Amino acid sequence: DTEVTQTPKHLVMGMTNKKSLKCEQHMGHRAMYWYKQKAKKPPELMFVYSYEKLSINESVPSRFSPECPNSSLLNLHLHALQPEDSALYLCASSQDGTRTEAFFGQGTRLTVV
Amino acid sequence: QKEVEQDPGPLSVPEGAIVSLNCTYSNSAFQYFMWYRQYSRKGPELLMYTYSSGNKEDGRFTAQVDKSSKYISLFIRDSQPSDSATYLCAMWRTGRRALTFGSGTRLQVQP
Repeated sequence: DTEVTQTPKHLVMGMTNKKSLKCEQHMGHRAMYWYKQKAKKPPELMFVYSYEKLSINESVPSRFSPECPNSSLLNLHLHALQPEDSALYLCASSQDGTRTEAFFGQGTRLTVV
Repeated sequence: QKEVEQDPGPLSVPEGAIVSLNCTYSNSAFQYFMWYRQYSRKGPELLMYTYSSGNKEDGRFTAQVDKSSKYISLFIRDSQPSDSATYLCAMWRTGRRALTFGSGTRLQVQP
């Protein structure tokens, strides 16, 4: 099983709302990632968790707050987003974050109104 | 200059054609390579993973790596309309715990 599950699939939120994106994998992977993807662009790295510790934050605005409650789960908390934050948010995982295959979820399509 | 260069296309071919997709990279620290297929509004799907120079085959797909030239390719034989998607190359660089992506090539296979 190489599945990374993301919920919800679609999310519409107002600029004053607080919402969370969730990601789950059961492959025993110890590295998990959040990416943001705009139309016709490649995925853009936001955060990397390695062994449940935040190892990379690509200077993401504080209105995005990641959380890794355990080795299988990854959350992205959203607050006071802007319309330009509308995008496909992708979660991915890999065994050790250095050389092995990386698997992506199907993404959450976020629209900020 | 980007670390990984990939022609964005679009690339349009007739059904049954052999497709060649390519990426070049500038840093020899890139050692592990992947190809993803991404349909519109979906997450990237891993097609191939390679780390050695040479060829790796899986069904209609062949991944080729030439580390001396810093060049990787994905060949699709007997292309089908269902292969119409964006193809992304991605690679791990020693010392960085994150993938570096090419910009993606949009492929259209005409019936």
